[in-house]
Amino acid sequence: DAGITQSPRHKVTETGTPVTLRCHQTENHRYMYWYRQDPGHGLRLIHYSYGVKDTDKGEVSDGYSVSRSKTEDFLLTLESATSSQTSVYFCAISELPLWQSGANVLTFGAGSRLTVL
Amino acid sequence: DQQVKQNSPSLSVQEGRISILNCDYTNSMFDYFLWYKKYPAEGPTFLISISSIKDKNEDGRFTVFLNKSAKHLSLHIVPSQPGDSAVYFCAASAKAAGNKLTFGGGTRVLVKP
Repeated sequence: DAGITQSPRHKVTETGTPVTLRCHQTENHRYMYWYRQDPGHGLRLIHYSYGVKDTDKGEVSDGYSVSRSKTEDFLLTLESATSSQTSVYFCAISELPLWQSGANVLTFGAGSRLTVL
Repeated sequence: DQQVKQNSPSLSVQEGRISILNCDYTNSMFDYFLWYKKYPAEGPTFLISISSIKDKNEDGRFTVFLNKSAKHLSLHIVPSQPGDSAVYFCAASAKAAGNKLTFGGGTRVLVKP
């Protein structure tokens, strides 16, 4: 997975509890992203980061927050998990920002499966 | 309102035959298109891409065709192999919109030996 590690890989939690997913990269890429994958919806961007402490919202950011204190780590937090946040979450990285070139390719981690009961 | 649609959720094909995956889009501003392949329990991996200034791009057994007037692209896999069994996502980006990738819902391909 090109030096991308997601943890935990699987998590079951209850509604209302906080959850943090971690993405760790060893590629020293500046740009990092969190996506969720749901049946029929493909992958949808939650948040992205364009540098340490620099983050912005994606298309489905409600109920999620992120933090990036180091180049290699990008954390996704669900402050109070809901059943609608049951999904598979993918972290991705890129050398260039997507807005610089459409030819820029994302490299994805293996995913974190979250179930909210 | 899905801007990128893959209307066939699944496809079954015999080994050695051609697999054709289709993708339709609605946003005429899209100017770059990509296909990703995903195996179970793994992240998607980049497969092939095409710029809107082209109508065809080929890489080995994989060819992507773009029909801008119809807002349609397709991925051809020839010949199909059992290892091609996976979920395929098409994605599109628009420079004017910051090149954010918009993904289709995916097509699951099963190649039968």
